[in-house]
Amino acid sequence: NAGVTQTPKFQVLKTGQSMTLQCAQDMNHEYMSWYRQDPGMGLRLIHYSVGAGITDQGEVPNGYNVSRSTTEDFPLRLLSAAPSQTSVYFCASRHPGQGNEQFFGPGTRLTVL
Amino acid sequence: AQSVAQPEDQVNVAEGNPLTVKCTYSVSGNPYLFWYVQYPNRGLQFLLKYITGDNLVKGSYGFEAEFNKSQTSFHLKKPSALVSDSALYFCAVRDPDGGATNKLIFGTGTLLAVQP
Repeated sequence: NAGVTQTPKFQVLKTGQSMTLQCAQDMNHEYMSWYRQDPGMGLRLIHYSVGAGITDQGEVPNGYNVSRSTTEDFPLRLLSAAPSQTSVYFCASRHPGQGNEQFFGPGTRLTVL
Repeated sequence: AQSVAQPEDQVNVAEGNPLTVKCTYSVSGNPYLFWYVQYPNRGLQFLLKYITGDNLVKGSYGFEAEFNKSQTSFHLKKPSALVSDSALYFCAVRDPDGGATNKLIFGTGTLLAVQP
């Protein structure tokens, strides 16, 4: 199986533009999450979902929307891009159960000009 | 609130020498602890985890980590470093008493540089 896939790999946006980062997993994981990675700050949780139709906010949700219409897909939408959203974005998934590790996608590098 | 600290931004070690990457945590209950590795321009890969039981946990690529409850630490170790171990290492904690969210909290990462 492909694991966690993310598209696109790279994206450049102008301030104010909107776009959707795609994430899909084929492991039938109920839990999915979006993180952003910035230098010196580790990974910060943006939004997460514990199942289809259920989403919730993480540490840094402002400026982002998510939806979870299927178990497989968890897209992240930037409503009006800002330079502060320049980052590397990672999608992750796992089975329920607190001892289960997360599986990460390869990431999307986003630059907002 | 739960948190993770990785006190070293970078660790330098010569190939063949033992390596240690430090991690300390703070949670309200018994922690679930994880180590991940990130190679350049790649996503994070799971290395090992501590849930319960033996304090010494063995993982992928010859890495191991020791859980120390009294020192609230979970240091990553390897007896003999390889140049190919050079990467960014993240420690993470999940607080099992933290409610329904079970979110994973990451440290800021430690860059391991192994010199030939």
